Amino acid sequence: DTEVTQTPKHLVMGMTNKKSLKCEQHMGHRAMYWYKQKAKKPPELMFVYSYEKLSINESVPSRFSPECPNSSLLNLHLHALQPEDSALYLCASSQSLQGSYGYTFGSGTRLTVV
Amino acid sequence: RKEVEQDPGPFNVPEGATVAFNCTYSNSASQSFFWYRQDCRKEPKLLMSVYSSGNEDGRFTAQLNRASQYISLLIRDSKLSDSATYLCVVTIRGSTLGRLYFGRGTQLTVWP
Repeated sequence: DTEVTQTPKHLVMGMTNKKSLKCEQHMGHRAMYWYKQKAKKPPELMFVYSYEKLSINESVPSRFSPECPNSSLLNLHLHALQPEDSALYLCASSQSLQGSYGYTFGSGTRLTVV
Repeated sequence: RKEVEQDPGPFNVPEGATVAFNCTYSNSASQSFFWYRQDCRKEPKLLMSVYSSGNEDGRFTAQLNRASQYISLLIRDSKLSDSATYLCVVTIRGSTLGRLYFGRGTQLTVWP
């Protein structure tokens, strides 16, 4: 299995809703990432997990809450989002903690906040 | 100053053309180098890693010039299916765990 699987593929949520994005990989990668990508922009780093521990939070607002239940799963809990949070949310994993081999990205969740 | 700079294009070329993309990076501690391809509304996919000796994968050739801090991607005999955004990506020694630094991407359209 050489894939990163993200669900759901599309999500529309209201500003008062709570929802979760899920990410799963079975490649034994110990580094996992959440990125956010707006149209015609490169991906922006949100969170880094290393060995299931949160290593980096790139000053992301608290309405985004990551969770790593085990080495294969990564969740992103969403609450009280704003319309400007609408974007493509990408999960990625890496074989190397230095990123020496690049990442494998999931297909993303396209989020629309209404 | 951005870590990675790319010409955003767009590049519009006919099928069969040869096209070259360039990218510069600002941090001399940059360690690993990649070209990613991103189709519209899809995730980035690793096209190829870039090595100091240069490397080739079929119609694609990547070059790295550490002295000039410059990376290139050459696509020969362009196909319609090559239409995408090409992202120049680097890692930096000592930075956040495996963080990738992305250029803004270069858009390529190949027309028949």
